[in-house]
Amino acid sequence: EPEVTQTPSHQVTQMGQEVILRCVPISNHLYFYWYRQILGQKVEFLVSFYNNEISEKSEIFDDQFSVERPDGSNFTLKIRSTKLEDSAMYFCASSEEGGQALYGYTFGSGTRLTVV
Amino acid sequence: GNSVTQMEGPVTLSEEAFLTINCTYTATGYPSLFWYVQYPGEGLQLLLKATKADDKGSNKGFEATYRKETTSFHLEKGSVQVSDSAVYFCALMGTSGSRLTFGEGTQLTVNP
Repeated sequence: EPEVTQTPSHQVTQMGQEVILRCVPISNHLYFYWYRQILGQKVEFLVSFYNNEISEKSEIFDDQFSVERPDGSNFTLKIRSTKLEDSAMYFCASSEEGGQALYGYTFGSGTRLTVV
Repeated sequence: GNSVTQMEGPVTLSEEAFLTINCTYTATGYPSLFWYVQYPGEGLQLLLKATKADDKGSNKGFEATYRKETTSFHLEKGSVQVSDSAVYFCALMGTSGSRLTFGEGTQLTVNP
């Protein structure tokens, strides 16, 4: 069964450093997403991406965050200057359509980011 | 805005017990409703869904019915197995956009 692959599974970074989280969505999917889950809290939407641009973003997704699909297969989330409160599990997802009612998202297994 | 509330966890059951995990939501219009499951070390997997009032989603013995009158989407299973041990998330998608709004998640542990 096709999978969404995220790397690395765990990343530790110093506060203030830039970090890039990587995702390989399912090859025929057109919509891509990032979510995060701070330990003990809800899974929160960050951003959706379609046709090489952001289609929707949450209030969490401020100027410190950016997304890119650099080569047609990878989908990345960059945090420019990490803060302690960015420590969380970050989930990538993809879907064939924007509204998932018919087809459903496929989520990756997540990258645990620890900012020290 | 949209919100989802799940029953507090964790939940611990014996094998073959009946499972209910409560989920209620707040949203305008008619959202689509989902249950996701996360097994240890894995991503979120879609378990079942319902897209309109009175729809029943079902999969792997789990069921949930979209109740508009009580704004609820409770997850049930008649006889749980040890392999059902996981975290279960209730979620909704509103009528505009494609973002999912999740509940807090409920950790289920099934003992043999």
